[in-house]
This record gives sequence, structure tokens and C-alpha cells, in this order.
Amino acid sequence: DGGITQSPKYLFRKEGQNVTLSCEQNLNHDAMYWYRQDPGQGLRLIYYSQIVNDFQKGDIAEGYSVSREKKESFPLTVTSAQKNPTAFYLCASSIGARPQETQYFGPGTRLLVL
Amino acid sequence: QKEVEQNSGPLSVPEGAIASLNCTYSDRGSQSFFWYRQYSGKSPELIMSIYSNGDKEDGRFTAQLNKASQYVSLLIRDSQPSDSATYLCAVSMRFGAGTRLTVKP
Repeated sequence: DGGITQSPKYLFRKEGQNVTLSCEQNLNHDAMYWYRQDPGQGLRLIYYSQIVNDFQKGDIAEGYSVSREKKESFPLTVTSAQKNPTAFYLCASSIGARPQETQYFGPGTRLLVL
Repeated sequence: QKEVEQNSGPLSVPEGAIASLNCTYSDRGSQSFFWYRQYSGKSPELIMSIYSNGDKEDGRFTAQLNKASQYVSLLIRDSQPSDSATYLCAVSMRFGAGTRLTVKP
């Protein structure tokens, strides 16, 4: 089956700890995205990548880092600099890299702080 | 920062009625507009995309775009309880906060 997978479904972070969220797609899509969703605030763009080995900051990139070493994978690291990381994290991909392409979402990862 | 604005609701309609959801955006150069549905605890799923001024219909759903007014809407005809969800408007890569819709039997 083609699709986007995210793991883990739930992730717990201790103070001062970096954690990495996984996102994999087998749709052969060029572009991948990371969003954060807080209650009542919709989706906010963290980072996006239009091509392997390249990525751009979104609207709330501070405290996060990404890599795009393979077309299929776009992991997100939540660093200790992100002081309020509790949220629902959504990964998406689109066929092409243009803004008008439809995005398809993974099932999401819920990050909680211990 | 480019903004996408939606009424947060909640919007409540009786079963069988028409639900009307609205969205405005600030970037006049925007070319792509999307409506996603998100059930509680789940990820968004695409309902409609629209790129040109006017109406686009798909089953019970109609998207309307007016670029001059920077306005996009979604109409849901014959609303069903299963339509109860949060509807997200997206303009290119930016999303609104969503409108929560409840369809009462």
C-alpha cells in the first residue's frame, strides 16, 4: 500500500532532551512538509523540503531541525530549545514542489512533555 | 506573514441542511486553495481543491473562489451527521484555524 507513515504514534520527551519524529513516504512524492497543530490553532508550517538535500524554514522553525537525505524520508528533531513542544505533529507530502500541489497527510505523532 | 482566516465556530446545522463554511486570505498572489476535513484525533483529508474563480462541485460539496475578494467557501448540501468534523481551509501551504461543524440528527 502506498502512503505516509509516521512513528511513533505517541512520544514522551523529558526536559532538555532532543527527540526525533519519523516520516516516511512511498508515494514517490518530491515535496515533504512538517506541521504542528495546537488546539484551536490549525496547522502551522515548521519546515518543508522540495527536493532531496534541500529544505526551507516555515513559520515556526525555531527549536526544530530536519534533514532530507533520501526522497522517502523527512525526519523532524524537536530540540531542547523548543520550550513548548507539546502538540500534534503532522507530516505531509505532495507530488511536486509547487505550492498548488495537493498535500497528503500521515497519521500524526502526539508529543508530550514529562 | 501570509494569513488564512476562518470562523472558528462551532457551526451547528440540522441533518439535511446546507452548511456554509467561509475563509479569507491575505496573499493576493495565492493560486491554490484547498478544503480539508479533520475528524477529532485524526489527520486532515482532502475534500476539494480549487484554482480558478467560480464554483467547483463534487458530489454534495461545492467550493467557491473569488480571488478579487480574497474569499473561498465550502458548501455542504444535505448535511449528514458523519460530516461533523473540523474543516480546514488551506491557501498554498498555509492553513486556517479550522471551523468545527456539528450536524444534528
